[in-house]
Amino acid sequence: DAGVTQSPTHLIKTRGQQVTLRCSPKSGHDTVSWYQQALGQGPQFIFQYYEEEERQRGNFPDRFSGHQFPNYSSELNVNALLLGDSALYLCASSWDQALNEQFFGPGTRLTVL
Amino acid sequence: QKEVEQNSGPLSVPEGAIASLNCTYSDRGSQSFFWYRQYSGKSPELIMFIYSNGDKEDGRFTAQLNKASQYVSLLIRDSQPSDSATYLCAVNMIAGGTSYGKLTFGQGTILTVHP
Repeated sequence: DAGVTQSPTHLIKTRGQQVTLRCSPKSGHDTVSWYQQALGQGPQFIFQYYEEEERQRGNFPDRFSGHQFPNYSSELNVNALLLGDSALYLCASSWDQALNEQFFGPGTRLTVL
Repeated sequence: QKEVEQNSGPLSVPEGAIASLNCTYSDRGSQSFFWYRQYSGKSPELIMFIYSNGDKEDGRFTAQLNKASQYVSLLIRDSQPSDSATYLCAVNMIAGGTSYGKLTFGQGTILTVHP
């Protein structure tokens, strides 16, 4: 049973560029949440997708957008990258009927130069 | 005031001792409370969650919740060097009547267990 997978593992971009990160949830899970974790900080909630819709959003600008596909996988897009967007981006999957059990993927380390 | 606060540490305990990690939260409507462990360079791993006041035990781990004091703690008995990691407290807060599992994390406490 595959766990949560994310790609790519690492990514280096320059300011102003755009980036797309991908997540495949654990088998049987239908809900995907995205978090940003800056160095030395706890993860911060970006948004959550369920039934291909953004269901809830944290305090992140519109530069952060996402998508969920019919197979429950998800993408996180960030436009007009800033140096401050450098962080570990974590995807967490869960089942809508058991949202308290969220399992994190290995993360994507984004560096913006 | 931060929504979820933890002492960043580092907390250093000898092998075999009890490690005590603490967390306070600001939203009285919070319903669920979680402890995650994060090794350096890795993603958070769920240790346990608790809903009700009191203690919940799972192996060497005990979570304690006191909603009146808005306080949750994690005790690790018989601490091992492999327990050395950052421990993240997370709270499922209610906003507008629904939370959908949105987690609000503290900054984490670094625990070091020395032989």
